[in-house]
Amino acid sequence: GAGVSQSPSNKVTEKGKDVELRCDPISGHTALYWYRQSLGQGLEFLIYFQGNSAPDKSGLPSDRFSAERTGGSVSTLTIQRTQQEDSAVYLCASSFPRGFISGANVLTFGAGSRLTVL
Amino acid sequence: GQQLNQSPQSMFIQEGEDVSMNCTSSSIFNTWLWYKQDPGEGPVLLIALYKAGELTSNGRLTAQFGITRKDSFLNISASIPSDVGIYFCAGQLSRNQFYFGTGTSLTVIP
Repeated sequence: GAGVSQSPSNKVTEKGKDVELRCDPISGHTALYWYRQSLGQGLEFLIYFQGNSAPDKSGLPSDRFSAERTGGSVSTLTIQRTQQEDSAVYLCASSFPRGFISGANVLTFGAGSRLTVL
Repeated sequence: GQQLNQSPQSMFIQEGEDVSMNCTSSSIFNTWLWYKQDPGEGPVLLIALYKAGELTSNGRLTAQFGITRKDSFLNISASIPSDVGIYFCAGQLSRNQFYFGTGTSLTVIP
């Protein structure tokens, strides 16, 4: 697609329920990132996918968080047994890594999925 | 993880004034990026910097990649109401490692 698409745009759930957030990256972008943005905070790295390589999961805050990327395209971020502190905007970004040259590696973000856990 | 110190945290300025914000880090970065985020939207890239000392403009925006590679600044000249939003710096450490500042919230008073 022309841009990074995320769904749902808003999700309200009850504490303890599982949620799935979807990201559809820009066609041809091999790298996909998930970030979390809490109210008034910067972007917290969660997970990174690059092609067929093993994902970098070093930013996932707990084992309740997981993500997968099917067919090197669409990604789903799953939060199990949600807690109130999980409330945040979850941003997905994609890029086409080409080394440190002009115009390369720019992250393009989706509009985010706002999660509210009651 | 790496810490990017972004300042100021917030700014309230009159329309027409110039704005300056900066980011500093204890680490050396290979790339500096500046993003703007409007309410309810994801961050949108404003300027990308790839070489130490590089000075790049995009309309009324000017950004520089510090000589030490540990800092960057963004200037906005002659601010207008649509400049309102949150501005983030980001440093790229390696192929997949991007670190973001905590943002500068800009309010432009007409």
